[in-house]
Amino acid sequence: EPEVTQTPSHQVTQMGQEVILRCVPISNHLYFYWYRQILGQKVEFLVSFYNNEISEKSEIFDDQFSVERPDGSNFTLKIRSTKLEDSAMYFCASRGGGLQETQYFGPGTRLLVL
Amino acid sequence: AQKVTQAQTEISVVEKEDVTLDCVYETRDTTYYLFWYKQPPSGELVFLIRRNSFDEQNEISGRYSWNFQKSTSSFNFTITASQVVDSAVYFCALSPGGSGNTGKLIFGQGTTLQVKP
Repeated sequence: EPEVTQTPSHQVTQMGQEVILRCVPISNHLYFYWYRQILGQKVEFLVSFYNNEISEKSEIFDDQFSVERPDGSNFTLKIRSTKLEDSAMYFCASRGGGLQETQYFGPGTRLLVL
Repeated sequence: AQKVTQAQTEISVVEKEDVTLDCVYETRDTTYYLFWYKQPPSGELVFLIRRNSFDEQNEISGRYSWNFQKSTSSFNFTITASQVVDSAVYFCALSPGGSGNTGKLIFGQGTTLQVKP
């Protein structure tokens, strides 16, 4: 069964460093998302991406964040200068066609900023 | 405003008990979609069910059942004869469906279910 994959599964970085989180969505899906979950809290929407551009972003998704689909298969989230409060689990998700379709999530990347 | 409320933070039951997880949502959209996801201790988010706002039919899948009531804006989830493997955090989520919506999911706070042997 097709699935969303994410790499790395864990990443430890120093405050101020740049990180890139990678995702490979399900191959025929058209809509892509990033969410984050701070430990013990709910899952929060960060950004949605369709047709090679951001379609919506949350207040969390400030200028330190960017997304890219560089090669038609990968979908990346970059954090330019990490802060302690960026420590969280980051989930990538993808969806096929219409809004009624289900979003499928990757296994997540656990980011720890020291 | 779009919002999902899961008032039960933690529930603890003994194996074989039935348990209901509550979910109340708020939206002004007439078309929307509701979801339940399971997050086991390993951390991934596992899709359980999707419901469209125009389909209030309840659904049963094995030991799982869902009760969708638009009149009370609720989408509750019942596990019958709970098992230890059901122990997880369960999230209810809303996706607005009106024009211009991007399909983002708005999650509730989650309910941690502990099933004791």
